Amino acid sequence: NAGVTQTPKFQVLKTGQSMTLQCAQDMNHEYMSWYRQDPGMGLRLIHYSVGAGITDQGEVPNGYNVSRSTTEDFPLRLLSAAPSQTSVYFCASRGSLAYEQYFGPGTRLTVT
Amino acid sequence: GENVEQHPSTLSVQEGDSAVIKCTYSDSASNYFPWYKQELGKRPQLIIDIRSNVGEKKDQRIAVTLNKTAKHFSLHITETQPEDSAVYFCAASKGSGGSNYKLTFGKGTLLTVNP
Repeated sequence: NAGVTQTPKFQVLKTGQSMTLQCAQDMNHEYMSWYRQDPGMGLRLIHYSVGAGITDQGEVPNGYNVSRSTTEDFPLRLLSAAPSQTSVYFCASRGSLAYEQYFGPGTRLTVT
Repeated sequence: GENVEQHPSTLSVQEGDSAVIKCTYSDSASNYFPWYKQELGKRPQLIIDIRSNVGEKKDQRIAVTLNKTAKHFSLHITETQPEDSAVYFCAASKGSGGSNYKLTFGKGTLLTVNP
């Protein structure tokens, strides 16, 4: 099992550019989440999904879109990048019968 | 929604001493409380968790205690070693299925173990 994978590892964008952060898991987990991590702020939930075709907003959703067309994939889209979106982004997944969330390795995004 | 407060934000101990990190939560319906360890540049990894039907759980040098009445839970690390140096996060959720699985995290504690 590869677990939770994320691409790219690093990305630099200019203000106004768009991009998609990729997240995939091979554990057949129903629940998937996107978090952003900023210094001194902990991990804050951006969007989450409880199954294919079902997504909802978390604590800090503005400026981000998600979709969940398959169980395995949960991409995060930045429509028009802003410097305030400079952060480390983590994807996580969890099975419906367990409690532990498994995190991906993260994507470090810089918006200039 | 849930709010999780974590203290202290930084903690420095001597090797062999104990370390205690405390968290409080606001939603009395929360029933699952994990602790994550994050080394520099790495992903958060679960080190121990507790559910609201128990008051304490131990795993070797690590223990977690939960006081549901006071809505707080703590991480205890005994006989600290330099490799325990990391950022530790507490979190809370309602644990069960559907949208209740969402975790709310504290802001983290940077633990430094000095040799």
